[in-house]
Amino acid sequence: GAGVSQSPSNKVTEKGKDVELRCDPISGHTALYWYRQSLGQGLEFLIYFQGNSAPDKSGLPSDRFSAERTGGSVSTLTIQRTQQEDSAVYLCASSPRQGVSVKQYFGPGTRLTVT
Amino acid sequence: AQSVTQLGSHVSVSEGALVLLRCNYSSSVPPYLFWYVQYPNQGLQLLLKYTTGATLVKGINGFEAEFKKSETSFHLTKPSAHMSDAAEYFCAVSDTGGFKTIFGAGTRLFVKA
Repeated sequence: GAGVSQSPSNKVTEKGKDVELRCDPISGHTALYWYRQSLGQGLEFLIYFQGNSAPDKSGLPSDRFSAERTGGSVSTLTIQRTQQEDSAVYLCASSPRQGVSVKQYFGPGTRLTVT
Repeated sequence: AQSVTQLGSHVSVSEGALVLLRCNYSSSVPPYLFWYVQYPNQGLQLLLKYTTGATLVKGINGFEAEFKKSETSFHLTKPSAHMSDAAEYFCAVSDTGGFKTIFGAGTRLFVKA
């Protein structure tokens, strides 16, 4: 079946511009996560959606970052007024339900470059 | 191609006992290696990572891991388990040139009182 998809796969933007990154989770998965990974660094948790519950935004690095999930499916991560330090790969993952032992399925990521 | 194998989907230890979670990897290039922890209803958190340099890496919450190239291993240890260590642990490998990360299947750690 179809896995997690993300678009675009690559995005180059100028400093100060806004960008939107899209994530299509696996159909029926109720949990959705956003992470980012800088070169040589581990995954950095950004935000977590679970069903209709309020999202866990504790990992968002600044108020320039926001995310929404419409209809419990597709999610969009928005970065406003991008900065060079925002350059990274942004990964989305989904899982069938909440809980510690449920496998997360990762998308291929969006590589963001801010010039 | 890279891959990660975590030995044991479930590990159970008594509080105060040694924690050992095993991870073996394969990589055709020098790898970056990571351990992550996931607590209930939370995203993954980075415990520690190996990139270059010292092969014994110390992380948060008293965990450490040793990169052994000859054994292609990166086992996670903690001298004394605490109840709060009960969680799912993921080993991961990525190449140094790109950003793609391969995750192991995870090991659920149970800590008995």
